[in-house]
Amino acid sequence: AQKVTQAQTEISVVEKEDVTLDCVYETRDTTYYLFWYKQPPSGELVFLIRRNSFDEQNEISGRYSWNFQKSTSSFNFTITASQVVDSAVYFCALKRGNAGNMLTFGGGTRLMVKP
Amino acid sequence: NAGVMQNPRHLVRRRGQEARLRCSPMKGHSHVYWYRQLPEEGLKFMVYLQKENIIDESGMPKERFSAEFPKEGPSILRIQQVVRGDSAAYFCASSPSGTGGQETQYFGPGTRLLVL
Repeated sequence: AQKVTQAQTEISVVEKEDVTLDCVYETRDTTYYLFWYKQPPSGELVFLIRRNSFDEQNEISGRYSWNFQKSTSSFNFTITASQVVDSAVYFCALKRGNAGNMLTFGGGTRLMVKP
Repeated sequence: NAGVMQNPRHLVRRRGQEARLRCSPMKGHSHVYWYRQLPEEGLKFMVYLQKENIIDESGMPKERFSAEFPKEGPSILRIQQVVRGDSAAYFCASSPSGTGGQETQYFGPGTRLLVL
């Protein structure tokens, strides 16, 4: 069975602070894919990143960075110098590599960035 | 460059009525997925369809819910005899294909269903 846990339900930071959103996953598959999505107050889901299980390189995109560690089954997301526009619910998701097409989502982390 | 389209964005129904939710995938995408998001919860998979085929409906409630993706036109999620517990946001996603596992699913803006 697949499972994604986002232990932080809500985080509040002040603008310009760095913040890390945790994601821990469970799977028996050797090939799998991890995703992060952002859900701003307007409600839509915005794709941020996809990571393959066989590629543990960390990734940086502007103020966003992702740390994938298979040894701890974690795929954490860091926002550097947070801004008010980063306020949203962030979801981590897992997809099996060779069977099934569904995404298994974590419960989400609500990030509030205060000015 | 249209993304995934869903309509209506908001839908209000009284208990016992039917709800029809529509989803048009991104151009070039032939695979559609439906997810439900209950208040303050993450998204839960419901069904995966290709044109004229239901591939995986393991997350779909056995009664009152059905989905289709006809050869022409949008995918439809249909809820018959709605109950208050059906109130949720329903998201549609699409991908170019379903194979390879690595396909990214791109989501629509969702339909917020409120059952009175």
